[in-house]
Amino acid sequence: DTGVSQDPRHKITKRGQNVTFRCDPISEHNRLYWYRQTLGQGPEFLTYFQNEAQLEKSRLLSDRFSAERPKGSFSTLEIQRTEQGDSAMYLCASSPLGNNQPQHFGDGTRLSIL
Amino acid sequence: QKEVEQNSGPLSVPEGAIASLNCTYSDRGSQSFFWYRQYSGKSPELIMSIYSNGDKEDGRFTAQLNKASQYVSLLIRDSQPSDSATYLCAGGPAGTASKLTFGTGTRLQVTL
Repeated sequence: DTGVSQDPRHKITKRGQNVTFRCDPISEHNRLYWYRQTLGQGPEFLTYFQNEAQLEKSRLLSDRFSAERPKGSFSTLEIQRTEQGDSAMYLCASSPLGNNQPQHFGDGTRLSIL
Repeated sequence: QKEVEQNSGPLSVPEGAIASLNCTYSDRGSQSFFWYRQYSGKSPELIMSIYSNGDKEDGRFTAQLNKASQYVSLLIRDSQPSDSATYLCAGGPAGTASKLTFGTGTRLQVTL
């Protein structure tokens, strides 16, 4: 069990650029989640996959955000035309199948928009 | 009204004392609850999960759930300076695995 891995750890980019983050879940965890956390707040749900299917997406999620999990293993989160308000920590979590399974988080990707 | 509410703190307790962290939730559909510890600049780390009314103990930690009052708490016995962190309360829906709704967290400071 190597834990949830996220890459990169830090990303600095100019406003208007596109960015892509990667998440590798704990092996054999079928469920994968993306959250966003800003300073002084708890993580906010973005989207959730079970295997390769995206089962839920936050209504707050702008159309500029897209996530994929093409083979049911790693996932990518892309933000197009980044804005200042996108600056945050992007957290990935995974859990096994089954009811009420706890989610385990990766170290996150910190995004800073200049 | 936020779905999961926590006092942001800081909550300051002396070393060796019991720290009591509280959380209320508004969605009666929430059935699973989790406490995460988050050190500054780090990601949340799972400490406890609780699904049924009553107490659940794990080492120095005890989680308490009261669904009638929509109240969750975390007790930390024999608090240590290394317990100083932000504690996040999260609730999830019943029966399936879906999004967690987090509170803003309570910052705990354990003083020497």
